[in-house]
Amino acid sequence: GAGVSQSPRYKVAKRGQDVALRCDPISGHVSLFWYQQALGQGPEFLTYFQNEAQLDKSGLPSDRFFAERPEGSVSTLKIQRTQQEDSAVYLCASSLVSGRLGEQFFGPGTRLTVL
Amino acid sequence: DAKTTQPNSMESNEEEPVHLPCNHSTISGTDYIHWYRQLPSQGPEYVIHGLTSNVNNRMASLAIAEDRKSSTLILHRATLRDAAVYYCILRDVGEYGNKLVFGAGTILRVKS
Repeated sequence: GAGVSQSPRYKVAKRGQDVALRCDPISGHVSLFWYQQALGQGPEFLTYFQNEAQLDKSGLPSDRFFAERPEGSVSTLKIQRTQQEDSAVYLCASSLVSGRLGEQFFGPGTRLTVL
Repeated sequence: DAKTTQPNSMESNEEEPVHLPCNHSTISGTDYIHWYRQLPSQGPEYVIHGLTSNVNNRMASLAIAEDRKSSTLILHRATLRDAAVYYCILRDVGEYGNKLVFGAGTILRVKS
């Protein structure tokens, strides 16, 4: 079956531009996560949705980062006024259940480069 | 979150077993031990998890020390496709939201 998909796979933005990154989770998955992965490091948690509710946004680095999942399926991570330090791979993951031990299925990521 | 310690990198020959260690001396009684791996240019993927007993699945085995302060991921016959970064992660059974907290992981190189 289809896995988690993300688009675009690559995005180049000029500093100061706004970007929007899309995540299509596995159909029926309740939980959705966004992670940020800098070069050579492990992924770092950004935010978590259970259905359409954003229950944890403690990892968002600044108020320039905003995420939504209005209908409980597709999610969008928006970054306003991009800065060079925002350059990273942005990973989306979904999980079938909202329970604490659900296996997370990751998408291939969107590589964002801010010039 | 309780922390884990892994070697930065390891190297293995193809078709040989690989033992990837993880230390987690501050593990709590409700922490599960999870392993994920990340192949080049891909998102992480789940490998295995356990609480106290050793676990086996089609991908790997997980050996957990009796005091649970360390564990070892075992790949029984490494292939070139197993070259990846392997992450050992502790997940609290009481933690709401179940986000994954990744460390730097172990880079596994497999030689043919």
